[in-house]
Order: sequence, then C-alpha cells, then structure tokens
Amino acid sequence: KAGVTQTPRYLIKTRGQQVTLSCSPISGHRSVSWYQQTPGQGLQFLFEYFSETQRNKGNFPGRFSGRQFSNSRSEMNVSTLELGDSALYLCASSRGDIVAEAFFGQGTRLTVV
Amino acid sequence: GESVGLHLPTLSVQEGDNSIINCAYSNSASDYFIWYKQESGKGPQFIIDIRSNMDKRQGQRVTVLLNKTVKHLSLQIAATQPGDSAVYFCAEGSARQLTFGSGTQLTVLP
Repeated sequence: KAGVTQTPRYLIKTRGQQVTLSCSPISGHRSVSWYQQTPGQGLQFLFEYFSETQRNKGNFPGRFSGRQFSNSRSEMNVSTLELGDSALYLCASSRGDIVAEAFFGQGTRLTVV
Repeated sequence: GESVGLHLPTLSVQEGDNSIINCAYSNSASDYFIWYKQESGKGPQFIIDIRSNMDKRQGQRVTVLLNKTVKHLSLQIAATQPGDSAVYFCAEGSARQLTFGSGTQLTVLP
C-alpha cells in the first residue's frame, strides 16, 4: 500500500510569508504527527492529530499550526516565516493507538530566504 | 528537561562485521523505545521498537537491548552491509509523541 505522501517536496519562501505543507497518511492510519528536522536541533516534535483533533503539541511558537481533515489528511501552516524556519518538515502516520510504529514521509524541504 | 541522547556521533565498521549503536535516555516513564534509520534525502524509516517491559527484542539482522537500570538502549546490526550506511536515531515514545536522540552516522567500509 502507498506510504506517507508529503507535498511539495521542496519550497523556497521569503521571510514574512506563510506556507502550507500537506501530508497524506497511510490508508487506515488515523494519527498524523509533524516534526521539524534541522542540523542544529535534530528532530523535534511539532504536533499530533487524531480524528481531526490535536492531541499533543510541542514547544513551538503559535506561528506553527496544523489541522487534520476527516479523511485523515493533514496540513501544517507556518506564518510570518523566519530564516530559522528553514528545515526538513516530516510527517508521520500511525494507526492511532500508539505512535511507536510511526511511518514517515520523505519530508518537505523548506528554505526561507 | 527530558532528553534522549546518543553516545557517539559517528561509527565506522567493516562490511560483514556487527555494529552496535548506543543510546542513553533520561525519561524513565517512557512506554517504548524505537530505532529509526534515515538515509540521505529520505524520511526516517522504522527499524524496530521495544516496550518498556521488555529487555530484548530481535528482528531481521537487528536486535534491540534495553537496560532500564542504567537507562541505556542499544541497536545491534548483524553482518553489516553497505546498505546499512545511514544515520540511526533512537526515540522514546510517550504521550503520543516521539522524542528523538541526535543520531549516529553509521558508515560501512568495504
């Protein structure tokens, strides 16, 4: 079956703009988590959604937000982009009962200039 | 705060040898621990996980050991192959999130 799909793969944005990233989970998976990966900070948890509800949130400013749709697809939005937001944004899906067996997408590489 | 860390940032092994990647964690309340492999340009790939009530689990060519006394986790890869070259992350799972370590770069030498 198809894996986790993230679009777009690459993005270049200007400081101050906003961006929306998309994630389609594995069929049947109801939990979607988002992570930010940078060389300096590693992989950091952003938030997790299950059945359209945010169940958990990491320590990121309010500029980072997300949502999940009834078909489990998820989007994350970053407003007022800063240079430090440049990162690989990863989405992971799991069945929902536990997040241990999370499967990751290839990520969206965001560059802020 | 709670953290998951790795002992070594890089590890080089000869093809065919066994590899051992170590990880220290600090959150004794974690329910499970997971190892991921990340190749260049790809997202992390699930390798194996272990519940906190276990001390060993085996998969195909991989074994994870959990020592709760010293809060230590290790990943053993048998007969390491060139395709095993990647960054390996340990992660702890609790409260519906994963907390990742900083990663170890494994390089397999011919």
